[in-house]
Amino acid sequence: GENVEQHPSTLSVQEGDSAVIKCTYSDSASNYFPWYKQELGKRPQLIIDIRSNVGEKKDQRIAVTLNKTAKHFSLHITETQPEDSAVYFCAATLNTGFQKLVFGTGTRLLVSP
Amino acid sequence: IAGITQAPTSQILAAGRRMTLRCTQDMRHNAMYWYRQDLGLGLRLIHYSNTAGTTGKGEVPDGYSVSRANTDDFPLTLASAVPSQTSVYFCASSAQDFNTGELFFGEGSRLTVL
Repeated sequence: GENVEQHPSTLSVQEGDSAVIKCTYSDSASNYFPWYKQELGKRPQLIIDIRSNVGEKKDQRIAVTLNKTAKHFSLHITETQPEDSAVYFCAATLNTGFQKLVFGTGTRLLVSP
Repeated sequence: IAGITQAPTSQILAAGRRMTLRCTQDMRHNAMYWYRQDLGLGLRLIHYSNTAGTTGKGEVPDGYSVSRANTDDFPLTLASAVPSQTSVYFCASSAQDFNTGELFFGEGSRLTVL
């Protein structure tokens, strides 16, 4: 089955710095890679996703890159702000019959003013 | 407002008791899921349903059961709760596959088993 590993588990940066979170996956058939942000006490919410036919996608300060050969994908946040502080989860599809999402273990990002 | 509703939001339960977590969505999504969230372990899939009348096991199904009598509802039952089932439970839904849509989560149900 699919195994998604996520690093680091915690990340502390100063406001204005960049933050990078990395994930690897095991299933070569995976074709959809979303990133979710979860603020304290709230539900996870999708912030950006990428499909296997592209290598990079940007949305304002957030970008995701995908290397299908190496089976890894990364989330890049530039010009971090205190409101970026949250737990971030990566995920990849498991395509055994019915398509499901397998999540990484999460990264707690703390942006200090 | 369209979305996913979970109930209860929080519950303390004695070990051995039966508990059903309710989940209802009004987005007419075919697929529904139950995840549990534990510190350091992320979100792990318990059970899923790709359409009404059909369910399947996820990564951690033991001790849980689900049913999908209609499109909107997907209850999760703990037949005899144990302390290791203390967790935050998220119901989620999506269109049939991720080529056309994303996974939406409910607000979560925090369950404590004593």
